[in-house]
Amino acid sequence: GAGVSQSPSNKVTEKGKDVELRCDPISGHTALYWYRQSLGQGLEFLIYFQGNSAPDKSGLPSDRFSAERTGGSVSTLTIQRTQQEDSAVYLCASSAGTVFYGYTFGSGTRLTVV
Amino acid sequence: KNEVEQSPQNLTAQEGEFITINCSYSVGISALHWLQQHPGGGIVSLFMLSSGKKKHGRLIATINIQEKHSSLHITASHPRDSAVYICAVRPSNTGNQFYFGTGTSLTVIP
Repeated sequence: GAGVSQSPSNKVTEKGKDVELRCDPISGHTALYWYRQSLGQGLEFLIYFQGNSAPDKSGLPSDRFSAERTGGSVSTLTIQRTQQEDSAVYLCASSAGTVFYGYTFGSGTRLTVV
Repeated sequence: KNEVEQSPQNLTAQEGEFITINCSYSVGISALHWLQQHPGGGIVSLFMLSSGKKKHGRLIATINIQEKHSSLHITASHPRDSAVYICAVRPSNTGNQFYFGTGTSLTVIP
């Protein structure tokens, strides 16, 4: 597609349930990032995928969070046993993968844990 | 400690005014980005800079690598410029992470 596509755009879930958030990056972009933006907060790095390299998971806040990227394209961020503090906008971005290229954000998934 | 500091945090301007948003950072970088986030939440990448100055329409971004400082200028501001402007830097010691400022919320009044 022309841009980074994220789904769903909004998700309301009950505390303790698992959720899956999807990101479809720009075709050909080798780098994919997940960020989280909590209400009134800046962007928080979660995880980074680059090609076939092992992902940089250093930003994941707990072992309830995991992400995978299948075939170097679509990525899924999974949050297990959701907590209210997980409520945030989850943003995906992709880039062509070198420092001299910009990157493009998706429109985000607004997760609300009730 | 925040590696990226933006100022001001909030800015209200009259339509037509010249606006400057500042970003200072404390790490060596390979690139700096200016992002725009509209009230609906969508984020747009405005500029990527590694040196000098870039211009796009009414927007101008400058960077001084030695002083670790960048500015985003908006000329002839318009209410549709109302948004949060975020500075992000890509540290030169890692290719993976970006450090983000907390953003500058701009409101342009007609």
